[in-house]
Amino acid sequence: ETGVTQSPTHLIKTRGQQVTLRCSSQSGHNTVSWYQQALGQGPQFIFQYYREEENGRGNFPPRFSGLQFPNYSSELNVNALELDDSALYLCASSFRLADNNEQFFGPGTRLTVL
Amino acid sequence: AQSVTQLDSQVPVFEEAPVELRCNYSSSVSVYLFWYVQYPNQGLQLLLKYLSGSTLVKGINGFEAEFNKSQTSFHLRKPSVHISDTAEYFCAVSVGYGGSQGNLIFGKGTKLSVKP
Repeated sequence: ETGVTQSPTHLIKTRGQQVTLRCSSQSGHNTVSWYQQALGQGPQFIFQYYREEENGRGNFPPRFSGLQFPNYSSELNVNALELDDSALYLCASSFRLADNNEQFFGPGTRLTVL
Repeated sequence: AQSVTQLDSQVPVFEEAPVELRCNYSSSVSVYLFWYVQYPNQGLQLLLKYLSGSTLVKGINGFEAEFNKSQTSFHLRKPSVHISDTAEYFCAVSVGYGGSQGNLIFGKGTKLSVKP
């Protein structure tokens, strides 16, 4: 059983550019959540996808968008990058109908915006 | 709205000493409570969780936590720490009912530094 994987591990972009981050869920999981972890802070919820539909969103602007594919892998897209978007982006997968509410996290993608 | 406060940003402790990392939460509804650990340059790993039942929860690596509803606290404890416990620890809450996966709300983290 493979865990949650994310790519790339590191990324450097300039302000105004667009970026796509990718996540492969743990086998059997149908829900994926994305979090932003700024330096020295706890992760903040961006949004969650369940069966390819957005299922909840945190306090992030529309330039943060996502997709979930039929195989439950996922993408996070950020348009018009700003300096404050520099952070570790974490993906977490879970099985929606399980009662344990446990989310399994990937290692993250470190995004630097210059 | 729910929120999580981790009262200590840094906790230095000597090896084999006991440690307590404090966490308080606020919520007007029932919550699920979690502690995660993050080692340098890695993602988050679940240490333990409280969903219901016994208020004393045991997790991995010898950690335990006690849910105190009246004090809205969920403090993490370990009776004897090792150098390898040096990491950042995050307390989190979610609101979910009957299988609904709520999003996790995290505290700002506590850096545990274990010294020889």
